[in-house]
Amino acid sequence: DTGVSQDPRHKITKRGQNVTFRCDPISEHNRLYWYRQTLGQGPEFLTYFQNEAQLEKSRLLSDRFSAERPKGSFSTLEIQRTEQGDSAMYLCASRTRDSDYGYTFGSGTRLTVV
Amino acid sequence: SQQGEEDPQALSIQEGENATMNCSYKTSINNLQWYRQNSGRGLVHLILIRSNEREKHSGRLRVTLDTSKKSSSLLITASRAADTASYFCATDGGNKLVFGAGTILRVKS
Repeated sequence: DTGVSQDPRHKITKRGQNVTFRCDPISEHNRLYWYRQTLGQGPEFLTYFQNEAQLEKSRLLSDRFSAERPKGSFSTLEIQRTEQGDSAMYLCASRTRDSDYGYTFGSGTRLTVV
Repeated sequence: SQQGEEDPQALSIQEGENATMNCSYKTSINNLQWYRQNSGRGLVHLILIRSNEREKHSGRLRVTLDTSKKSSSLLITASRAADTASYFCATDGGNKLVFGAGTILRVKS
């Protein structure tokens, strides 16, 4: 297991289209996180899962955003009816339940909405 | 929303010099972590300091934490050109990380 994988690395889409991103965490990590990062800013929390349960969602996660982790393994983040303001880097991270360890981040999916 | 602020926003130093970055936060924490991000890439975990610790070392990194002032600092000693990156502090209240806006470090060779 080499780390957290995200797919795709880059996505260009037209405004109004739906997009879906995938994250494969480290297999023994039961917590999975989604963050969004815009240019020049730190990552902003979107949501997190413990196993398959979605335990917290940010106010940033509007009705157009939905995240799933159906079997407690990989996760998907879907954005419906994309807007130009959705353009950002979407980062996935995972960690064990023990909070004394850092998070492992994937390389991110860069979304550009044109 | 972001937890706090980092200072300075940008730092430019010569190779071999030390770099110090500061971070302030607002709420109580379980631990505070520092991450590095190279341009356009994901974040790499550098070091974690628990709320009951005051100082921690890892290689050329030294982190301090003052919970009474809600602040932390990251010192990188003997900097190298490869240290050029953005550095973020992040606080962990138990459920998630909350990041600052970061410090952009440029190390000139």
